[in-house]
Amino acid sequence: AQSVAQPEDQVNVAEGNPLTVKCTYSVSGNPYLFWYVQYPNRGLQFLLKYITGDNLVKGSYGFEAEFNKSQTSFHLKKPSALVSDSALYFCAVRDSNAGKSTFGDGTTLTVKP
Amino acid sequence: KAGVTQTPRYLIKTRGQQVTLSCSPISGHRSVSWYQQTPGQGLQFLFEYFSETQRNKGNFPGRFSGRQFSNSRSEMNVSTLELGDSALYLCASSAVGTHEQYFGPGTRLTVT
Repeated sequence: AQSVAQPEDQVNVAEGNPLTVKCTYSVSGNPYLFWYVQYPNRGLQFLLKYITGDNLVKGSYGFEAEFNKSQTSFHLKKPSALVSDSALYFCAVRDSNAGKSTFGDGTTLTVKP
Repeated sequence: KAGVTQTPRYLIKTRGQQVTLSCSPISGHRSVSWYQQTPGQGLQFLFEYFSETQRNKGNFPGRFSGRQFSNSRSEMNVSTLELGDSALYLCASSAVGTHEQYFGPGTRLTVT
């Protein structure tokens, strides 16, 4: 069975500071990893993915994430947070041998001016 | 390209009734997945369809069913509604050869 853990329900950062949203995963095969963002009363938007290759992947809106196989982590980062980054962030994993995606419980990011 | 569309956006039903939700994927996308999102349970996978065949199924009772048509549009049906079925139902589509999903805005179902 595959699973995703987002250990922090809430992350608060000041605008202009770097941000990190944590994610760890468990799969039996090779992991496909994703980050999605959800704004209030909206569906989820794809931010970035890791399938293979470079451990550091870059995505939309200046976000990036680092795949760490030994720590089974895929933390989301941004060098300088914006107030408009405030939203609910979901990490997801998909086993390369299976079809469905499993999502974490989400982390609410609040960026204060 | 137009995004994933879901209809209706909001529904209010009574316990015991049934409901059908509709999803139109992004043009060219053949995979459609459905999710239930609730504050307490997060995002739960319902099922995935590809080329009119159910490819994966989550751990939901048989009251939840779905189908996909030849044009890739998908519907999900919930029979004998319960109060606990109140949730945001999200549909997502993806293209062959890619792995990321593109989500619709969801249908907010309220069961009274």
